[in-house]
Amino acid sequence: KQEVTQIPAALSVPEGENLVLNCSFTDSAIYNLQWFRQDPGKGLTSLLLIQSSQREQTSGRLNASLDKSSGRSTLYIAASQPGDSATYLCAVSRVGTDKLIFGTGTRLQVFP
Amino acid sequence: GAVVSQHPSRVICKSGTSVKIECRSLDFQATTMFWYRQFPKQSLMLMATSNEGSKATYEQGVEKDKFLINHASLTLSTLTVTSAHPEDSSFYICSASASGYYGYTFGSGTRLTVV
Repeated sequence: KQEVTQIPAALSVPEGENLVLNCSFTDSAIYNLQWFRQDPGKGLTSLLLIQSSQREQTSGRLNASLDKSSGRSTLYIAASQPGDSATYLCAVSRVGTDKLIFGTGTRLQVFP
Repeated sequence: GAVVSQHPSRVICKSGTSVKIECRSLDFQATTMFWYRQFPKQSLMLMATSNEGSKATYEQGVEKDKFLINHASLTLSTLTVTSAHPEDSSFYICSASASGYYGYTFGSGTRLTVV
């Protein structure tokens, strides 16, 4: 059974810091891994999608890496801003099924 | 980019009534749609997977007679909470995919409150 864990569960940092959020999964047979952002009371916004054959993806200040063999992904946020405050979720889709398995989430607060 | 519209965003209903939530893919055909439930400060829990024209597949522990899912077309899936009770109050989110290989797009969610 696929289990996805995110560390840390919560993070509070001053504006301008570079951040690393971690995601680990137990079954390496995945199609892809996706990072999402969720603001309170809102749906999910897709940030980055990494296919199983890829090592990383970048979008603006965000960079996500994937090490499938070790079951790990990291989301790097450069020069954090208060607007980055949200919950960040990683999710993996398993080979042979369309289901997304979500991690436990990291609640990020960036203060001015 | 792919857009999924979910309505309503908020609904309050009386105990014992039924509520329907719609999920539409606006600019792509969604072969598969998913319904999730989220409790406060928790991650998303998959309730069911629906494929166009076939019966939904429910996750273990989800009552199929209480949470009716219909996926009548490639752009529309509905979740009906029947005979709602206060314990059904939650945040419900749908997602859609043309192919899991290309990732998933989520709706904005529906906050259901049963009084």
